[in-house]
Amino acid sequence: AQKITQTQPGMFVQEKEAVTLDCTYDTSDPSYGLFWYKQPSSGEMIFLIYQGSYDQQNATEGRYSLNFQKARKSANLVISASQLGDSAMYFCAMRVSGSARQLTFGSGTQLTVLP
Amino acid sequence: DTEVTQTPKHLVMGMTNKKSLKCEQHMGHRAMYWYKQKAKKPPELMFVYSYEKLSINESVPSRFSPECPNSSLLNLHLHALQPEDSALYLCASSQPSWGQGALGEQYFGPGTRLTVT
Repeated sequence: AQKITQTQPGMFVQEKEAVTLDCTYDTSDPSYGLFWYKQPSSGEMIFLIYQGSYDQQNATEGRYSLNFQKARKSANLVISASQLGDSAMYFCAMRVSGSARQLTFGSGTQLTVLP
Repeated sequence: DTEVTQTPKHLVMGMTNKKSLKCEQHMGHRAMYWYKQKAKKPPELMFVYSYEKLSINESVPSRFSPECPNSSLLNLHLHALQPEDSALYLCASSQPSWGQGALGEQYFGPGTRLTVT
């Protein structure tokens, strides 16, 4: 079975600062993908970034980067230069090759960016 | 275009009503999903359709009935719901096979906020 753990129910960050949201995962499957989604209060789940288990380099997408430490089974999201619009719930999720269509979600981290 | 659309945005229904939620995507994805999400919780998978056929039903009560009329459309028919069914219902789509197409991520719609009175 797969499991995603997000240990920070809530985080605060000052505008323009960087913030790291933690995510650890557990799977015995060697082939998997890790995803981060952002969910504003409006409800839509917005895909942010993806990391494959065989990817050699950490994924980056604009201000988002994924700090992937395979041996520690962690996939932390780093948001640089936080903006007020970054305030939202953030979910880490995983998909394994044997269950290619299903996502396992973590419990989420509520990020609040302070002006 | 990476858009998944859902209608209606909000729905209030009584426990004896019959209503339907609709979802549409035009990304050529052949897997579509229904999720239920309670406030401050992660989405819970309800149903998965792959190539227009129901492939996963996560033991959802029969008062929820999914339908996939074609590869672009997904419906969720609601009947005799309970107040505890009030939630945000999210539709998503993706490529159905691992390693096919882009990254395999699921694209979500904006959701329907359902209130059962």
